Amino acid sequence: SAVISQKPSRDICQRGTSLTIQCQVDSQVTMMFWYRQQPGQSLTLIATANQGSEATYESGFVIDKFPISRPNLTFSTLTVSNMSPEDSSIYLCSVEGGIITDTQYFGPGTRLTVL
Amino acid sequence: GNSVTQMEGPVTLSEEAFLTINCTYTATGYPSLFWYVQYPGEGLQLLLKATKADDKGSNKGFEATYRKETTSFHLEKGSVQVSDSAVYFCALLPGYQKVTFGTGTKLQVIP
Repeated sequence: SAVISQKPSRDICQRGTSLTIQCQVDSQVTMMFWYRQQPGQSLTLIATANQGSEATYESGFVIDKFPISRPNLTFSTLTVSNMSPEDSSIYLCSVEGGIITDTQYFGPGTRLTVL
Repeated sequence: GNSVTQMEGPVTLSEEAFLTINCTYTATGYPSLFWYVQYPGEGLQLLLKATKADDKGSNKGFEATYRKETTSFHLEKGSVQVSDSAVYFCALLPGYQKVTFGTGTKLQVIP
């Protein structure tokens, strides 16, 4: 398995501000993904973070709102921009590939509350 | 497209009771199947997985068998504990694609 860390683990932010979430994995992986889990709900994929190119966004999610970086094979960031209370969720990164095959492993998540 | 249907919760059981959480799926090809668990206030942890038909995944007393004929992957445990209280997600992964999750089933085990 992989050891995945996320920073921050939780944050409380004001409306209109932005927050950048970091995801670090302890081995090189092919795929990194960002998910959102709204309160009491299942997970929804936001985007696939591609190393060296633009992220691939799912329907309903746009780069201006959720810019993503992936500078190398072990690290990615997700920014939640111009936040509103509706953005209050848990944001999770997941990884697959490299030494990890046939499975996606998830980070511990970042619990975001927007006031 | 791919989809996962799992039984709705919450499921409330007494300690040492038998647990079944049903999960069925629709997918093209031969996806891998997973159960993830989310304890209160935490992220998702992989509980068990199966990568091909008739495989049985097992971990911490939980088991699930990949049934291609019934497109099912039901989660079972013979004797639940209070510490098993969590939300359980059934999921499928076609490989290097996004995971398709079920809606989650909340399990509450009472002493």
